[in-house]
Amino acid sequence: KNEVEQSPQNLTAQEGEFITINCSYSVGISALHWLQQHPGGGIVSLFMLSSGKKKHGRLIATINIQEKHSSLHITASHPRDSAVYICAVLLNTGNQFYFGTGTSLTVIP
Amino acid sequence: NAGVTQTPKFQVLKTGQSMTLQCAQDMNHEYMSWYRQDPGMGLRLIHYSVGAGITDQGEVPNGYNVSRSTTEDFPLRLLSAAPSQTSVYFCASSLQGPTYPGLYGYTFGSGTRLTVV
Repeated sequence: KNEVEQSPQNLTAQEGEFITINCSYSVGISALHWLQQHPGGGIVSLFMLSSGKKKHGRLIATINIQEKHSSLHITASHPRDSAVYICAVLLNTGNQFYFGTGTSLTVIP
Repeated sequence: NAGVTQTPKFQVLKTGQSMTLQCAQDMNHEYMSWYRQDPGMGLRLIHYSVGAGITDQGEVPNGYNVSRSTTEDFPLRLLSAAPSQTSVYFCASSLQGPTYPGLYGYTFGSGTRLTVV
Protein backbone atom coordinates (compact mmCIF):
# COMPACT_ATOMS: atom_id res chain seq x y z
CA LYS A 1 0.00 0.00 0.00
CA ASN A 2 3.07 2.21 0.39
CA GLU A 3 2.97 5.05 -2.09
CA VAL A 4 6.61 5.89 -1.34
CA GLU A 5 9.48 3.44 -1.72
CA GLN A 6 13.04 4.11 -0.63
CA SER A 7 16.22 2.26 -1.48
CA PRO A 8 18.37 0.99 -0.07
CA GLN A 9 16.84 0.22 3.32
CA ASN A 10 20.26 0.09 4.95
CA LEU A 11 23.56 1.54 3.79
CA THR A 12 27.05 1.38 5.26
CA ALA A 13 29.76 3.60 3.83
CA GLN A 14 33.35 4.53 4.57
CA GLU A 15 34.04 8.09 5.58
CA GLY A 16 34.58 10.23 2.50
CA GLU A 17 32.42 8.17 0.16
CA PHE A 18 29.76 9.66 -2.09
CA ILE A 19 26.34 8.41 -1.03
CA THR A 20 23.07 8.20 -2.95
CA ILE A 21 19.67 7.41 -1.46
CA ASN A 22 16.73 6.93 -3.78
CA CYS A 23 13.03 7.61 -3.45
CA SER A 24 10.32 6.52 -5.88
CA TYR A 25 6.66 7.29 -5.63
CA SER A 26 3.61 6.10 -7.48
CA VAL A 27 1.21 9.02 -7.14
CA GLY A 28 0.95 12.58 -8.38
CA ILE A 29 2.66 14.99 -6.03
CA SER A 30 3.13 18.70 -5.66
CA ALA A 31 6.25 18.55 -3.47
CA LEU A 32 8.73 16.19 -1.87
CA HIS A 33 10.59 16.42 1.44
CA TRP A 34 13.82 14.84 2.58
CA LEU A 35 14.07 14.43 6.35
CA GLN A 36 16.91 13.32 8.61
CA GLN A 37 16.20 11.38 11.80
CA HIS A 38 19.04 11.14 14.29
CA PRO A 39 19.62 8.12 16.55
CA GLY A 40 18.08 10.04 19.43
CA GLY A 41 14.85 10.30 17.44
CA GLY A 42 14.85 13.98 16.48
CA ILE A 43 13.67 14.70 12.93
CA VAL A 44 15.02 17.55 10.86
CA SER A 45 13.66 18.69 7.54
CA LEU A 46 16.53 18.91 5.03
CA PHE A 47 14.88 19.89 1.76
CA MET A 48 11.56 20.59 0.19
CA LEU A 49 11.54 20.13 -3.59
CA SER A 50 8.98 20.61 -6.30
CA SER A 51 11.38 20.51 -9.25
CA GLY A 52 15.04 20.43 -10.20
CA LYS A 53 17.80 20.37 -7.65
CA LYS A 54 18.72 21.92 -4.30
CA LYS A 55 22.06 22.02 -2.50
CA HIS A 56 22.79 22.64 1.16
CA GLY A 57 26.39 22.15 2.19
CA ARG A 58 27.38 18.57 1.34
CA LEU A 59 23.79 17.54 0.68
CA ILE A 60 22.22 17.62 -2.77
CA ALA A 61 18.63 16.68 -3.54
CA THR A 62 17.21 16.17 -7.01
CA ILE A 63 13.75 15.37 -8.26
CA ASN A 64 12.40 14.19 -11.62
CA ILE A 65 8.66 14.74 -11.57
CA GLN A 66 8.05 12.87 -14.86
CA GLU A 67 9.90 9.77 -13.65
CA LYS A 68 8.44 10.08 -10.11
CA HIS A 69 11.88 9.79 -8.58
CA SER A 70 14.09 11.75 -6.21
CA SER A 71 17.63 11.23 -4.98
CA LEU A 72 19.51 12.52 -1.98
CA HIS A 73 23.28 12.69 -2.38
CA ILE A 74 25.85 13.20 0.35
CA THR A 75 29.32 14.20 -0.77
CA ALA A 76 32.41 13.49 1.36
CA SER A 77 30.36 11.55 3.90
CA HIS A 78 31.21 11.83 7.59
CA PRO A 79 30.28 9.71 10.63
CA ARG A 80 28.02 12.54 11.82
CA ASP A 81 25.90 11.91 8.70
CA SER A 82 24.86 8.57 10.25
CA ALA A 83 21.10 8.76 10.57
CA VAL A 84 17.87 7.59 9.00
CA TYR A 85 16.92 9.56 5.89
CA ILE A 86 13.22 9.74 5.13
CA CYS A 87 11.50 10.74 1.91
CA ALA A 88 8.01 12.23 2.12
CA VAL A 89 5.68 13.28 -0.69
CA LEU A 90 2.84 15.77 -0.63
CA LEU A 91 0.01 14.47 -2.76
CA ASN A 92 -1.43 16.99 -5.16
CA THR A 93 -4.89 15.92 -4.04
CA GLY A 94 -4.46 16.43 -0.32
CA ASN A 95 -3.06 18.46 2.51
CA GLN A 96 -0.71 15.88 3.99
CA PHE A 97 2.47 13.97 3.37
CA TYR A 98 3.04 10.27 2.82
CA PHE A 99 6.33 8.98 4.14
CA GLY A 100 8.80 6.33 3.07
CA THR A 101 10.10 3.86 5.64
CA GLY A 102 13.53 5.45 5.64
CA THR A 103 17.11 4.55 4.73
CA SER A 104 19.41 3.85 7.64
CA LEU A 105 22.89 5.20 6.87
CA THR A 106 26.00 4.34 8.85
CA VAL A 107 29.25 6.07 7.98
CA ILE A 108 32.32 4.33 9.36
CA PRO A 109 35.45 6.35 10.18
CA ASN B 1 14.28 28.02 22.95
CA ALA B 2 12.29 28.29 19.76
CA GLY B 3 10.87 25.07 18.45
CA VAL B 4 8.38 22.32 19.10
CA THR B 5 8.26 20.90 22.62
CA GLN B 6 6.74 17.49 23.29
CA THR B 7 6.05 16.00 26.69
CA PRO B 8 6.49 13.43 28.05
CA LYS B 9 9.45 11.80 26.29
CA PHE B 10 8.55 8.33 27.52
CA GLN B 11 5.33 6.85 28.87
CA VAL B 12 4.07 3.40 29.81
CA LEU B 13 0.31 2.94 30.01
CA LYS B 14 -1.91 0.04 30.91
CA THR B 15 -4.59 -1.00 28.44
CA GLY B 16 -7.68 1.15 28.95
CA GLN B 17 -5.90 4.08 30.58
CA SER B 18 -6.18 7.54 29.12
CA MET B 19 -3.52 10.16 28.68
CA THR B 20 -2.66 13.33 26.82
CA LEU B 21 0.51 13.90 24.84
CA GLN B 22 1.42 17.55 24.92
CA CYS B 23 2.78 19.58 22.01
CA ALA B 24 3.64 23.26 22.13
CA GLN B 25 5.38 25.56 19.66
CA ASP B 26 6.52 29.15 20.05
CA MET B 27 7.07 30.02 16.40
CA ASN B 28 3.54 31.28 15.72
CA HIS B 29 3.00 28.41 13.28
CA GLU B 30 -0.55 28.00 12.07
CA TYR B 31 -0.20 24.38 10.97
CA MET B 32 0.38 21.62 13.53
CA SER B 33 0.17 17.88 13.15
CA TRP B 34 0.62 14.57 14.96
CA TYR B 35 2.31 11.53 13.47
CA ARG B 36 3.03 8.03 14.70
CA GLN B 37 6.10 6.08 13.68
CA ASP B 38 6.07 2.29 13.75
CA PRO B 39 8.83 -0.18 12.79
CA GLY B 40 8.84 -0.96 9.07
CA MET B 41 6.31 1.77 8.32
CA GLY B 42 6.62 5.38 7.36
CA LEU B 43 5.37 8.18 9.57
CA ARG B 44 1.58 8.25 9.45
CA LEU B 45 -0.54 11.30 10.03
CA ILE B 46 -3.02 11.04 12.90
CA HIS B 47 -4.61 14.50 13.08
CA TYR B 48 -3.71 17.96 11.95
CA SER B 49 -4.79 21.55 12.47
CA VAL B 50 -4.54 24.52 10.13
CA GLY B 51 -5.20 27.04 12.89
CA ALA B 52 -6.77 27.60 16.28
CA GLY B 53 -10.21 26.04 16.44
CA ILE B 54 -9.73 23.96 13.29
CA THR B 55 -8.74 20.30 13.29
CA ASP B 56 -9.07 17.45 10.82
CA GLN B 57 -8.34 13.75 10.60
CA GLY B 58 -5.32 12.27 8.96
CA GLU B 59 -4.60 8.73 7.82
CA VAL B 60 -4.95 6.91 11.18
CA PRO B 61 -7.22 8.94 13.48
CA ASN B 62 -9.08 6.14 15.27
CA GLY B 63 -8.50 6.06 19.01
CA TYR B 64 -7.17 9.61 19.16
CA ASN B 65 -8.73 13.01 19.83
CA VAL B 66 -7.28 16.47 19.34
CA SER B 67 -8.25 20.06 19.98
CA ARG B 68 -6.61 23.39 19.13
CA SER B 69 -7.75 26.12 21.50
CA THR B 70 -4.62 28.24 21.01
CA THR B 71 -2.10 28.70 18.22
CA GLU B 72 0.66 27.38 20.47
CA ASP B 73 -0.76 24.10 21.76
CA PHE B 74 -2.00 20.96 20.04
CA PRO B 75 -2.53 18.11 22.54
CA LEU B 76 -3.21 14.53 21.45
CA ARG B 77 -5.55 12.50 23.66
CA LEU B 78 -5.75 8.74 23.94
CA LEU B 79 -9.12 8.03 25.55
CA SER B 80 -8.65 4.29 26.14
CA ALA B 81 -5.15 3.10 25.31
CA ALA B 82 -4.66 -0.15 23.39
CA PRO B 83 -1.47 -2.15 22.72
CA SER B 84 -1.82 -1.23 19.03
CA GLN B 85 -1.12 2.36 20.03
CA THR B 86 2.39 1.47 21.17
CA SER B 87 4.48 3.72 18.97
CA VAL B 88 6.67 6.79 18.80
CA TYR B 89 4.62 9.94 18.40
CA PHE B 90 5.89 13.10 16.73
CA CYS B 91 4.35 16.52 16.68
CA ALA B 92 5.29 18.83 13.80
CA SER B 93 4.50 22.41 12.92
CA SER B 94 4.84 24.63 9.90
CA LEU B 95 4.13 28.28 9.25
CA GLN B 96 1.35 27.74 6.73
CA GLY B 97 1.04 24.03 6.11
CA PRO B 98 2.77 21.33 4.09
CA THR B 99 3.17 23.44 0.97
CA TYR B 100 4.93 26.38 2.62
CA PRO B 101 8.36 26.57 1.01
CA GLY B 102 10.23 27.61 4.11
CA LEU B 103 13.97 26.96 4.35
CA TYR B 104 13.50 24.06 6.71
CA GLY B 105 9.86 23.15 6.00
CA TYR B 106 8.52 21.39 8.98
CA THR B 107 9.79 21.61 12.56
CA PHE B 108 9.44 18.37 14.47
CA GLY B 109 9.33 17.72 18.17
CA SER B 110 11.73 15.20 19.71
CA GLY B 111 9.08 12.52 20.00
CA THR B 112 7.19 10.63 22.71
CA ARG B 113 7.83 6.92 23.04
CA LEU B 114 4.60 5.31 24.26
CA THR B 115 4.24 1.71 25.36
CA VAL B 116 0.82 0.26 26.12
CA VAL B 117 0.89 -3.00 28.08
